[in-house]
Amino acid sequence: QVQLQQSGPGLVKPSQTLSLTCAISGDSVSSNTAAWNWIRQSPSRGLEWLGRTFYRSKWYNEYALSVKSRITVNPDTSKNQVSLHLNSVTPEDTAVYYCVRGGYHFDYWGQGTLVTVSS
Amino acid sequence: QTVVTQEPSFSVSPGGTVTLTCGLSSGAVSNSHYPSWYQQTPGQAPHTLIYSTTTRSSGVPDRFSGSILGNKAALTITGAQADDESHYYCVLFLGSVFRWVFGGGTKLTVL
Repeated sequence: QVQLQQSGPGLVKPSQTLSLTCAISGDSVSSNTAAWNWIRQSPSRGLEWLGRTFYRSKWYNEYALSVKSRITVNPDTSKNQVSLHLNSVTPEDTAVYYCVRGGYHFDYWGQGTLVTVSS
Repeated sequence: QTVVTQEPSFSVSPGGTVTLTCGLSSGAVSNSHYPSWYQQTPGQAPHTLIYSTTTRSSGVPDRFSGSILGNKAALTITGAQADDESHYYCVLFLGSVFRWVFGGGTKLTVL
């Protein structure tokens, strides 16, 4: 059974970087069939796919246009984790952030982390 | 910007049948959009019901089914139960530029 355990701060100041980590069990971040996504949910924006990383003989990253200039999703093969970094945050980035396994659909979700952007 | 559309709310009687839809602001939904459906109760992460238009996720009761109806993806619940009262979201794959876009969700009431 795949489990995704998220960790990271729940409060970030405006203009700073939001950083979250997702520890993977029951699968490998280097899997040739899975992709590791970050999705967020807020009342104003609904559910929003942010980006993903996946391994297919080499590492690939794909990002949503809305955050492409500010986002990095990185694998950590030594810890079997994936991380999210979103820089220059504003209050609009306040949301519940989910780590999610998926290819064309999203099958396993982390527990979600509420991140509030406020001074 | 392409928008994925869902009914904001729907109501069904216990034991009844309801069909929720997922459309595009421009164009028709097809299997190549890999429509998938998720159920979410308050405070919980979404839970996969249907993927690739018609495939039920493991453990999902067969009263949930997916299809293409006309130019939209559809989720049909047959024999609705009280614990089906939830928010339902669809997501479509919109290709190499826009990737995955979620609908705004449908709040289903069973009464």
